[in-house]
Amino acid sequence: DARVTQTPRDKVTEMGQEVTMRCQPILGHNTVFWYRQTMMQGLELLAYFRNRAPLDDSGMPKDRFSAEMPDATLATLKIQPSEPRDSAVYFCASARGSGQPQHFGDGTRLSIL
Amino acid sequence: DQQVKQNSPSLSVQEGRISILNCDYTNSMFDYFLWYKKYPAEGPTFLISISSIKDKNEDGRFTVFLNKSAKHLSLHIVPSQPGDSAVYFCAAKRNQGGKLIFGQGTELSVKP
Repeated sequence: DARVTQTPRDKVTEMGQEVTMRCQPILGHNTVFWYRQTMMQGLELLAYFRNRAPLDDSGMPKDRFSAEMPDATLATLKIQPSEPRDSAVYFCASARGSGQPQHFGDGTRLSIL
Repeated sequence: DQQVKQNSPSLSVQEGRISILNCDYTNSMFDYFLWYKKYPAEGPTFLISISSIKDKNEDGRFTVFLNKSAKHLSLHIVPSQPGDSAVYFCAAKRNQGGKLIFGQGTELSVKP
């Protein structure tokens, strides 16, 4: 079965450091999503891309977060500088199109000390 | 503003019985609904979906019911199995957009 691949699985770093999370969407999927899961907020959408173009990043704190798709096989989510409140599990998902179910990766568990 | 709500954080069911997970939504523009299942340390996995033009969709042991007038949907699992123990997320979206709005999740525990 094709899967969305996320790296790293776990990341622990100190406040103020830059964090980069990577996602390889399923081949042929043209829509990529970034979600954050916390105990308080549940699963919330941060940003999504279609055909590598950003469509909606209204859920993302713009001052420190940035999301890009350098090519069709790689999506990145960066936090600079990181803060303890950014600690969460970050999921990437991809879909074949806007009306298709999203397939999730296993997430990056981020801890900012 | 929680547009998709799962009011029961947890549910415990005996193996073989029916599990019913509920979800309410507030945005009448939502016209496509999905259920995802999530095991610990894994990403959510798509389970079943329903379009607003239907009121029921069935896939094996899983059935989703949609009541548009009440803005309510439910997931029925019958018979429930211990392997169904997981967190279940309800999600909704407008068909023309890709943005999914998730509920907070319900943790289902199926006891042998």
